[in-house]
Amino acid sequence: GAVVSQHPSRVICKSGTSVKIECRSLDFQATTMFWYRQFPKKSLMLMATSNEGSKATYEQGVEKDKFLINHASLTLSTLTVTSAHPEDSSFYICSARGTSGKSTDTQYFGPGTRLTVL
Amino acid sequence: QQQVKQSPQSLIVQKGGIPIINCAYENTAFDYFPWYQQFPGKGPALLIAIRPDVSEKKEGRFTISFNKSAKQFSLHIMDSQPGDSATYFCAASGWTTDSWGKLQFGAGTQVVVTP
Repeated sequence: GAVVSQHPSRVICKSGTSVKIECRSLDFQATTMFWYRQFPKKSLMLMATSNEGSKATYEQGVEKDKFLINHASLTLSTLTVTSAHPEDSSFYICSARGTSGKSTDTQYFGPGTRLTVL
Repeated sequence: QQQVKQSPQSLIVQKGGIPIINCAYENTAFDYFPWYQQFPGKGPALLIAIRPDVSEKKEGRFTISFNKSAKQFSLHIMDSQPGDSATYFCAASGWTTDSWGKLQFGAGTQVVVTP
């Protein structure tokens, strides 16, 4: 149990286009989902926290108009990178935290999405 | 400012050895301490987690030792295997009005287990 999926796993796009990444909790309901960014050989950097049905809360320094987050249901959150530029190229990872049956502190991570902007 | 300090940055052990990774924290509101294992190009996978009411927890070959008074915790990998070669992250979280249980990650430790 506690499986989180992400789609797509890899995406290459041209500068100026928008890219949507989906994060799904497959076997549990997630009231809270988190979006992280990870640079090579670095730790995970939290971008934003989203609660189902509410606006996302962004970490300091993260542009909310650049990284649009929607958490429309208890099993799906999306991250849209708008007008992507090469500096947005990175590994994006989501995580989900459950509502019951397990410790509500436990975060389960998706497999990540490698975004390359040309 | 990193709220969880992790060391060493990297370590190499021979098969069968016991890599030990250490983490320290300052925030006494933290009450949940997980360890994650990450392979290149993959998302982190929860390995084992501990709460402050116990001083040690074992799951298979992985053991967490926790010292509440020193605000330190460590991961031991018993009988390490080449397949354990990965990056390990410690983390901590606690419920406060401004944290919402968000995980604070250490910088990571790259572990290489040689055959």
